[in-house]
Amino acid sequence: SQQGEEDPQALSIQEGENATMNCSYKTSINNLQWYRQNSGRGLVHLILIRSNEREKHSGRLRVTLDTSKKSSSLLITASRAADTASYFCATDASNDYKLSFGAGTTVTVRA
Amino acid sequence: EPEVTQTPSHQVTQMGQEVILRCVPISNHLYFYWYRQILGQKVEFLVSFYNNEISEKSEIFDDQFSVERPDGSNFTLKIRSTKLEDSAMYFCASRLAGGVGEQYFGPGTRLTVT
Repeated sequence: SQQGEEDPQALSIQEGENATMNCSYKTSINNLQWYRQNSGRGLVHLILIRSNEREKHSGRLRVTLDTSKKSSSLLITASRAADTASYFCATDASNDYKLSFGAGTTVTVRA
Repeated sequence: EPEVTQTPSHQVTQMGQEVILRCVPISNHLYFYWYRQILGQKVEFLVSFYNNEISEKSEIFDDQFSVERPDGSNFTLKIRSTKLEDSAMYFCASRLAGGVGEQYFGPGTRLTVT
């Protein structure tokens, strides 16, 4: 089954605005992780939220997790041009922690 | 800060040729992974490796693929006879045993099969 589907597919905002993207998944998870990918580059780990956590913060990032709805959201506050990237949620549902990625949300921050 | 490294950054090969993609995971990590990302598509799990053996593999990881940890530092992915559809970015990742499961990804190898 597919895990980690993001919404929206693309988001364009003005610098200084907040960006919110959502992720839905289908099966029980150990944890959910968010990654950033700049065009053609590697995956940068942003934040991990465990299945027993509801909210987590890291700098300008805020992640929520609702296991009853099988959904998560990533909020980037006070966005900057450097935040322009694709953002992926990845769920960890197996004993060996393999990740299942969604298709990603492409965020463009306009100066 | 320790990081996962991958070589080469870009590999061009002809269809039918064998390629070996190399990764050096973070030194104290014990779980290793390969993922791939076809251009414009999502990142897909290929294989996980722990304690010198494959712990899980996806449907993509057929007999043309193999992984090896030839020494204490390298982790390789071999594609025996490449196909056009193997063209993708290949990512290596590693994680500590135990812990909460953060995986650290390398910068990727872009494989182009012509």
